[in-house]
Amino acid sequence: EAQLVESGGGLVRPGGSLRLSCAASGFTFSDAWMSWVRQAPGKGLEWVGRIKSKTDGGATDYTAPVKGRFTISRDDSKNALYLQMNSLKIEDTAVYYCATGLAGVWGQGTLVTVSS
Amino acid sequence: DVVMTQSPVSLPVTLGQPASISCRSSQSLVYSDGNTYLNWFQQRPGQSPRRLIYKVSNRDSGVPDRFSGSGSGTDFTLKISRVEAEDVGVYYCMQGTHWPQTFGQGTKVEIK
Repeated sequence: EAQLVESGGGLVRPGGSLRLSCAASGFTFSDAWMSWVRQAPGKGLEWVGRIKSKTDGGATDYTAPVKGRFTISRDDSKNALYLQMNSLKIEDTAVYYCATGLAGVWGQGTLVTVSS
Repeated sequence: DVVMTQSPVSLPVTLGQPASISCRSSQSLVYSDGNTYLNWFQQRPGQSPRRLIYKVSNRDSGVPDRFSGSGSGTDFTLKISRVEAEDVGVYYCMQGTHWPQTFGQGTKVEIK
């Protein structure tokens, strides 16, 4: 059974950095496009970005609110997905989910709180 | 960006009765490969989202057959044939045809 487990969330000051991880199991991770999706408290779902499989070029795409501040990477040898978040803003406060390409599988999420 | 508009925002339903959620996109969701990448998700209180339907009308594994999806182009519908207590939550449509992929604002299903 496919499974995703996020980690690395926590409290960070505005302007700070945080790195989230997502451990994948139960499917061929190296073949999968992977995504990060977030959900601010009491709000809807918002795509953050995605990374293609290396077979498909490995490129990344980001949404406008995070472009230039967030970086998605992957380590296929470890079945791991990462989200490096820099220059964090209060409005980045959310539960961050990793998900397979078109969101067929989701993790449990990890909470990131940006506050002074 | 493609705007996904769901209606209604709130849907009170009686147990055992049908329910229907509409989702409209600001652009056609037909991709160059001929597929339409329109998905539906359920998010129960306190849980992660779960995909119910992919490519308009295909149920994911383990999804009860009381859930069905239909539509084409820019107009889509999720139907629950007979609502059960476990169906309470927020439902989202999502388009995966155009980047950035975008979600509807959500429809909250609750029992009357």
